[in-house]
Amino acid sequence: GESVGLHLPTLSVQEGDNSIINCAYSNSASDYFIWYKQESGKGPQFIIDIRSNMDKRQGQRVTVLLNKTVKHLSLQIAATQPGDSAVYFCAERDSSASKIIFGSGTRLSIRP
Amino acid sequence: DGGITQSPKYLFRKEGQNVTLSCEQNLNHDAMYWYRQDPGQGLRLIYYSQIVNDFQKGDIAEGYSVSREKKESFPLTVTSAQKNPTAFYLCASSISPDGEQYFGPGTRLTVT
Repeated sequence: GESVGLHLPTLSVQEGDNSIINCAYSNSASDYFIWYKQESGKGPQFIIDIRSNMDKRQGQRVTVLLNKTVKHLSLQIAATQPGDSAVYFCAERDSSASKIIFGSGTRLSIRP
Repeated sequence: DGGITQSPKYLFRKEGQNVTLSCEQNLNHDAMYWYRQDPGQGLRLIYYSQIVNDFQKGDIAEGYSVSREKKESFPLTVTSAQKNPTAFYLCASSISPDGEQYFGPGTRLTVT
């Protein structure tokens, strides 16, 4: 069945370093991928998205990479700051569906 | 300010009681969604609505009911038939069924 999973449940990064959060997906029909950030007790916030016809997209301090060959998605955060502490979810959307499937999330913690 | 509101932020109920969670959006979005989030887990889709007066079951609809009488409102009722209702409930909306979803702040429901 469809699934979106994450390689690591937690990630600890030194402040100022780059963070890389990984995600694997299994549905070859997925054509749209999204990264969300969820702070404690709040709803998820959109960070960045990428369509399947792209392999890289950059935002402010964030970059998403998509490798369709191995069905792998990653989120890179440059110069990680304390405010980046949160749970990060990847999500995929099947090209024929109107629902988004979320992974279980990776908790990013920042060491001072 | 445009956005999605959920109320209340915290809700406590006794087992056996039905409870209705509110979700309102003023973004003029056609599609609305309800998700459930349990600790350390991703989001699971309960119900979604692509247009007023229409809604479909998600992956875990049993024990829940919804209505979509107005475009801006999508209330969720957690019935006594839901075996494990304690969770964090998130409402979202999108301009179209395949568009980016915007999330509300969530309601934490505790049933004892």
